[in-house]
Parts: sequence; structure tokens; C-alpha cells
Amino acid sequence: AQSVAQPEDQVNVAEGNPLTVKCTYSVSGNPYLFWYVQYPNRGLQFLLKYITGDNLVKGSYGFEAEFNKSQTSFHLKKPSALVSDSALYFCAVRDMSYGGSQGNLIFGKGTKLSVKP
Amino acid sequence: GAGVSQSPRYKVAKRGQDVALRCDPISGHVSLFWYQQALGQGPEFLTYFQNEAQLDKSGLPSDRFFAERPEGSVSTLKIQRTQQEDSAVYLCASSLARGTQGQPQHFGDGTRLSIL
Repeated sequence: AQSVAQPEDQVNVAEGNPLTVKCTYSVSGNPYLFWYVQYPNRGLQFLLKYITGDNLVKGSYGFEAEFNKSQTSFHLKKPSALVSDSALYFCAVRDMSYGGSQGNLIFGKGTKLSVKP
Repeated sequence: GAGVSQSPRYKVAKRGQDVALRCDPISGHVSLFWYQQALGQGPEFLTYFQNEAQLDKSGLPSDRFFAERPEGSVSTLKIQRTQQEDSAVYLCASSLARGTQGQPQHFGDGTRLSIL
């Protein structure tokens, strides 16, 4: 079965420090991977995606993610965290299952990022 | 508008009532998805439209859930005879291309449904 795991419910970081939000995936074939951010009472905002090509993907608001095929991981990173980065972060993979997949996403359960001043 | 618009933002209904949730996707977007997000969870897929065709409804939890997109733009998700377990945030997303092409999905702010 295809799945996405975000092993940390919450990540706490001091402002100015680097941050990492972890994600691992399980799919058949080559994955299409995405990161989204959700602020309270809002929908999900697209940050970045990996389809093919360079393993290091750069996205919005200074975020980047590293695709690691051998470890089936797609961790989200930022060199210097801001208080305004505090939000809920979701990793997702495109559903590749046979017989129904039309591109819908399978999401992890989310990681709450808290950046303290 | 510039983004995906959903209405109402909040809906409270009594158990057994029918509800209808509306989604206005980004103009010209071919693909439209509905997701259900329970409290503290990630969104879960409900159904997918390519233009007016509903190509995948495998995520709809029961036959009380029905979705349509008759003219290939606005979509409505209808829930009949609501139950308390239907309480969740319902998210709509659209993307420019067919879903399989890996284009990012753009989400609305959702409708928070509470069933009393």
C-alpha cells in the first residue's frame, strides 16, 4: 500500500536556526512528492515538488527538500527559520495505485512546526 | 478570482439534515479534487473531476456523499442524512492539467462542517 509517514508530530526550533521536517514514503514506481503548509483555518499552500531531476528541490519562502531514493525520504529544510514559519506542514505523494488514481494526493498526518523568537 | 473559493466557510447542521458545499476552482483548471480533513489529520481524498467528468469517486465514504461538476467549473459536494462522523473540514483543490501530470494542486480554505 502506498503511504507517507511524518514521524514527528511537532518540531521546535529557535528563530535563525536551521529546520528539518521529516518525511518518508512508500510507493510503487517513481514517486511524485509534494510539501504543503497549512496556517490555522486556511487551506493548504503549495511549497515545492519533486517529479524528476535534481535531488535538491527549491521552493517557496526559502524552503527546500532533498529527495533520497535509497532512504525513501523527502525531508523539508530551511537554513534559517522564521517565527512566521510556524504552521502545520504536510508531505504528500501522488497516488500511483492501479484502478482509480487520477493524480490525487496521499498525505501524511502533518508536523506542527513551532519557531520561537 | 485568483484562487480556489469555497462556501460556506462554516456550516452547522443537525444530524439527519442534508448539506451542500460549493467549490469555485481557479478559472481554466481542468482537474478538481475534494478532500476530507478530520481534526488533527491530513486530508484524505474523496473524489476527482476532469472537466465535468467524475473519473474517480473511490474515496467517498458512503452513498450519502455525492459530488457534481456539471459545466466543468463549479463543483458541489452534497452530503445527505448527515451523521456526526461527517464533521470535518472539506477541502477543494484544482490544478491546471490532468491530475496525472504532477501539477501542484491549489487548495481553497475549506468548509468546516459541524454536525450536532
